[in-house]
Parts: sequence; structure tokens; C-alpha cells
Amino acid sequence: DSGVTQTPKHLITATGQRVTLRCSPRSGDLSVYWYQQSLDQGLQFLIQYYNGEERAKGNILERFSAQQFPDLHSELNLSSLELGDSALYFCASSLRSWDNEQFFGPGTRLTVL
Amino acid sequence: DAKTTQPTSMDCAEGRAANLPCNHSTISGNEYVYWYRQIHSQGPQYIIHGLKNNETNEMASLIITEDRKSSTLILPHATLRDTAVYYCIVRVAEGSSNTGKLIFGQGTTLQVKP
Repeated sequence: DSGVTQTPKHLITATGQRVTLRCSPRSGDLSVYWYQQSLDQGLQFLIQYYNGEERAKGNILERFSAQQFPDLHSELNLSSLELGDSALYFCASSLRSWDNEQFFGPGTRLTVL
Repeated sequence: DAKTTQPTSMDCAEGRAANLPCNHSTISGNEYVYWYRQIHSQGPQYIIHGLKNNETNEMASLIITEDRKSSTLILPHATLRDTAVYYCIVRVAEGSSNTGKLIFGQGTTLQVKP
């Protein structure tokens, strides 16, 4: 158990819909990262927040957005969903903004029908 | 971050040492080698990292060649639970100006067989 929690575990929705994925980092960690893992793209970095501020951005689509709240939990919002957005979404956390040792949650499996 | 090259897959007999190679010939002097693994769709798990000296922890050993152009992750006594995808990642040295963005390649699928 990494100490990082993600909800929900599974999400099934239809194209065009909007969903919100939630992540609670390990106690004391200030940095939260979101990664997407699809069959054809592998594990890809989406976005990082540190203490409430956006720190780094990867290949995150404009339809996707994220935020980190004062209690340090984070939400990833996915809108206008397409079939290709079906993937595993992982959240990770670390203490500092530059830590390469990150603790990953169990993931949310999103299926878009 | 320097590019890494790993074999696509490897097999290992249970109880034997698993040696997973990684090539990072363009590594810079301030870049570390990190290893993560992912067991069947679970979240990736940090294993070990090093700069130039060999490193060992309770999970594995990391051997980095003197020229730092390649490294080997060693699982001394592989078990069936070590079956996973192993990722070798090269990252710049930690510091407040850097971010923790990890770039994962395709990794090596290690199959431990009874």
C-alpha cells in the first residue's frame, strides 16, 4: 500500500460525457502527478501540481484539466470524452516538486463506450 | 532526459537471479538512473536509483558501468511475484528548479517461471 488513494476504481461512461477522478496523496506529500496508461501509448505523464500550483505539463489534452485543493487532494477532470480516452489513470505523489521517487496509487480504470 | 533502451522481454527461473539490462549511452553527468516496476496494471512501484556507484536495497541491486552508459538491475532471488514490467528511467539530478516528471519507455516484461 503506497498511501496514495484514488477514487473511483472503475468508471464506465459514454462518449461526450464528463468525469472527475480523485486522488489523495500520501500524508505530508505536497506534489501530485497524473499519468495516463493506454494500450497503445504506454504510461504518459499528464500534469503535476505542487502545493496547489501547476508545476509541469505533459501531453495533456485541452479537454482535460486538473487542480490541487488546499487540503492537497487533486482532481482530474475529463470532458467531451472519446473512445480513445479509455485508459488507466494513475495519480502519484511525492514530498517535493522535483522528487523522482514517487508513490503511485492503484489507478482508476476509465472505459468510454 | 537521456533515452534508454531495454529488451522487450526476459524470462527467469524462480529462485535464480534476474538481471535486467538498460542502455543509456547518452546519459549526462548529472543524470541518475531510476528503476520502477509495474505488476499487472497496478500502479508503478519505485525500486532503486543510482548515480555512479553500485546501490543495493531490500528489493534489488543496481550495477552501473564505469562509463555510466549502461546499468543492470539485479533481483537476487526472483519469485513469481516479481513478474512485472520493469522500467529504466534516466532523470536529471534533483533540485528545486526541476520537476518530477517521469518519462516511461516500454520497459522489459520479466516473466518468472516456476
